[in-house]
Amino acid sequence: EAGVTQFPSHSVIEKGQTVTLRCDPISGHDNLYWYRRVMGKEIKFLLHFVKESKQDESGMPNNRFLAERTGGTYSTLKVQPAELEDSGVYFCASSQGDSTIYFGEGSWLTVV
Amino acid sequence: LAKTTQPISMDSYEGQEVNITCSHNNIATNDYITWYQQFPSQGPRFIIQGYKTKVTNEVASLFIPADRKSSTLSLPRVSLSDTAVYYCLVKNTGFQKLVFGTGTRLLVSP
Repeated sequence: EAGVTQFPSHSVIEKGQTVTLRCDPISGHDNLYWYRRVMGKEIKFLLHFVKESKQDESGMPNNRFLAERTGGTYSTLKVQPAELEDSGVYFCASSQGDSTIYFGEGSWLTVV
Repeated sequence: LAKTTQPISMDSYEGQEVNITCSHNNIATNDYITWYQQFPSQGPRFIIQGYKTKVTNEVASLFIPADRKSSTLSLPRVSLSDTAVYYCLVKNTGFQKLVFGTGTRLLVSP
């Protein structure tokens, strides 16, 4: 069974550009989460989808970040415009109900 | 969500048993204790989860005393490949958000 997959694995963009990260959760998982770790900091929660609905987006840093999960399957996280402080690794995770939360390998973003 | 406290780092040698203790004094009734392992450039990987007493799987054991204010992850006979960061997390059954701390950086030497 495929795990949580994320694309791209690495991305280098210039300040002011737009980047879209994609996450495919484990098949059948209704819960999808985004987390990120910026340089020198701890992994922080961004938001949580239940199917296509945003259950909790309390961790989204500002309105330059937009997460979507149309159809309740894969999700995208768009950063527009990207700033230097957005550099870091963005993790996607998924779970079914209250069961174990599984993480993807992360999308490494560098803004220059 | 309950805050967790664990040692920043630990050192061990191959073949030894490693015990990492985590404090979670404010754990709530509906909270579970969950441990993840993370290698460099990879996402956190689930190791084990428990509510009370002892839980064992093929990778590790988790010991939780009756008051549940702490827990100990036990890794039997570690190898070099167990060098990683280990996160102790409290997971509430009603809220799905995981709160990561600094984790414990385990270094296993030959």
